Amino acid sequence: EDQVTQSPEALRLQEGESSSLNCSYTVSGLRGLFWYRQDPGKGPEFLFTLYSAGEEKEKERLKATLTKKESFLHITAPKPEDSATYLCAFSTDSWGKLQFGAGTQVVVTP
Amino acid sequence: DAGITQSPRHKVTETGTPVTLRCHQTENHRYMYWYRQDPGHGLRLIHYSYGVKDTDKGEVSDGYSVSRSKTEDFLLTLESATSSQTSVYFCAIGFRETTGELFFGEGSRLTVL
Repeated sequence: EDQVTQSPEALRLQEGESSSLNCSYTVSGLRGLFWYRQDPGKGPEFLFTLYSAGEEKEKERLKATLTKKESFLHITAPKPEDSATYLCAFSTDSWGKLQFGAGTQVVVTP
Repeated sequence: DAGITQSPRHKVTETGTPVTLRCHQTENHRYMYWYRQDPGHGLRLIHYSYGVKDTDKGEVSDGYSVSRSKTEDFLLTLESATSSQTSVYFCAIGFRETTGELFFGEGSRLTVL
């Protein structure tokens, strides 16, 4: 059965303290691995799509990487505004049919 | 930015009553999706649509139906609401088909008593 597991469930960081979030997946026929950010009371916001092992993408303080079994979201020198829940998802079929992990809640304190 | 409006944003109803949630988009996107989000389960796909009158089931479709009579509107109906359908419901559009990017609405919080 295809599945994705995110760890840790929650992460508390000091401002400037870099860290990584993990997304482990067991998927046959991966079409894309996605990262979304979700703020409380809001819908998820797209961050990245990764298509194949070895691929990396960056946006401001965030960098996503992909291996054959895991994806990492690295947060470099985080700021309080990076506080959110980060969701990992995958697609094996049509693009919009995503299966999501439960998310990692990140809190960055000043 | 894409425009998605979900209505109602909050609703409390009783078991056994019908409920319809509406998703309206202003961008003329072909693909639309309904997801539900529950603690510990993440987001799960309920139904999706590839165009007018073209819909299909997702992972958790039991107890739900959908309709899409116009490109801009995608309706999710709970024919007889149950307490297990208490959730936050998100509509999404396929914003960029080449990247798989979805654009989500703000969500509709449904409580079934």
